[in-house]
Amino acid sequence: GAVVSQHPSRVICKSGTSVKIECRSLDFQATTMFWYRQFPKKSLMLMATSNEGSKATYEQGVEKDKFLINHASLTLSTLTVTSAHPEDSSFYICSARGLAGVQETQYFGPGTRLLVL
Amino acid sequence: AQSVAQPEDQVNVAEGNPLTVKCTYSVSGNPYLFWYVQYPNRGLQFLLKYITGDNLVKGSYGFEAEFNKSQTSFHLKKPSALVSDSALYFCAVRDMDVAGNQFYFGTGTSLTVIP
Repeated sequence: GAVVSQHPSRVICKSGTSVKIECRSLDFQATTMFWYRQFPKKSLMLMATSNEGSKATYEQGVEKDKFLINHASLTLSTLTVTSAHPEDSSFYICSARGLAGVQETQYFGPGTRLLVL
Repeated sequence: AQSVAQPEDQVNVAEGNPLTVKCTYSVSGNPYLFWYVQYPNRGLQFLLKYITGDNLVKGSYGFEAEFNKSQTSFHLKKPSALVSDSALYFCAVRDMDVAGNQFYFGTGTSLTVIP
């Protein structure tokens, strides 16, 4: 079946550095990618929605210059956390939506744990 | 506006007993409803979904959920709980009449099955 992967699964970085997280759809072409952030023991908060080849649409309160999203191909979207700070530490989950065969489908990635020291 | 409510942060149940995790939703249009499970430091695993048809939906690992339109509920149930069912459960809704129709998640319910 269709699978969505994320890389890395876990990353530790120093405050002030930038971190890139990749999200790939492995068996289908993802026309839309979603990025979520999850705080400990909390729900998933939608950060942004990106359509292939277009600029991402950010949810209210999410800084687009802080969280750069690129969706350059139908199988890859990246989230770059720029100048990361400890408060950016979180679990980031992507979700890919597209056609698997003739049916629209959407799958979630396994998540990336970011720890900013 | 779309929203999902999971009124219980924590549900405890003895192994072998039936379990219920509650979910209510609010959408302006046509809802697709989902349940996902999350184990510690892992992503979301799909359990089941309701799109149309039978109100009782059967999913993975023996779970089922009943769509109740009048009560706008989609409670998750299992007849006999296992210790391995202990995890965080999320209810989600997509309003298919809204452009983008992204997922909106509830706040999650932590299920603990006591041996």
